[in-house]
Amino acid sequence: NAGVTQTPKFRILKIGQSMTLQCTQDMNHNYMYWYRQDPGMGLKLIYYSVGAGITDKGEVPNGYNVSRSTTEDFPLRLELAAPSQTSVYFCASREGVGSYEQYFGPGTRLTVT
Amino acid sequence: RKEVEQDPGPFNVPEGATVAFNCTYSNSASQSFFWYRQDCRKEPKLLMSVYSSGNEDGRFTAQLNRASQYISLLIRDSKLSDSATYLCVVNEGYSTLTFGKGTMLLVSP
Repeated sequence: NAGVTQTPKFRILKIGQSMTLQCTQDMNHNYMYWYRQDPGMGLKLIYYSVGAGITDKGEVPNGYNVSRSTTEDFPLRLELAAPSQTSVYFCASREGVGSYEQYFGPGTRLTVT
Repeated sequence: RKEVEQDPGPFNVPEGATVAFNCTYSNSASQSFFWYRQDCRKEPKLLMSVYSSGNEDGRFTAQLNRASQYISLLIRDSKLSDSATYLCVVNEGYSTLTFGKGTMLLVSP
């Protein structure tokens, strides 16, 4: 199993541009998450999903959108990039109720200039 | 807002030393607790779960004090490879976890 994969690994955006961060897991996990991590800061939850077709906001959802059309994929969309969105983005998945361990992807480093 | 607080460190220790980290959490209803490890510029990975009775995994011991709402991690016989940031993590309901900002450990020769 590849686990959780994320693309791209790095990206530089100009202010106002849009992009989609891809996340795929091959563990058949029901729950998936998007976090951002700023330097010296903890992980902050952006959005999460408890199954295909179901998404919910986390702590910092403004400026982002998500969709979950399949169990495997959970893309994160930035519509109008702002410098405040410069961060490292981690996608994670978890099997479901009764299992709390989250498995993380390697992250996407995004710079908005 | 529910929070998880950790001393950011860094904790600088020599190889072979014993070091302990504490973490406090604000949500008294939390049921599950974890320590994750994060290497520099890498993703977090589960180190160990923390059980009410305390648990040990090799050189690592985790303990939970529900009355005082804190969790501890003890590392014995520190290795250079233990250098990392240790994240205290607490569940919030059934769906989400809250991560502390982490405690940095630097083990020197």
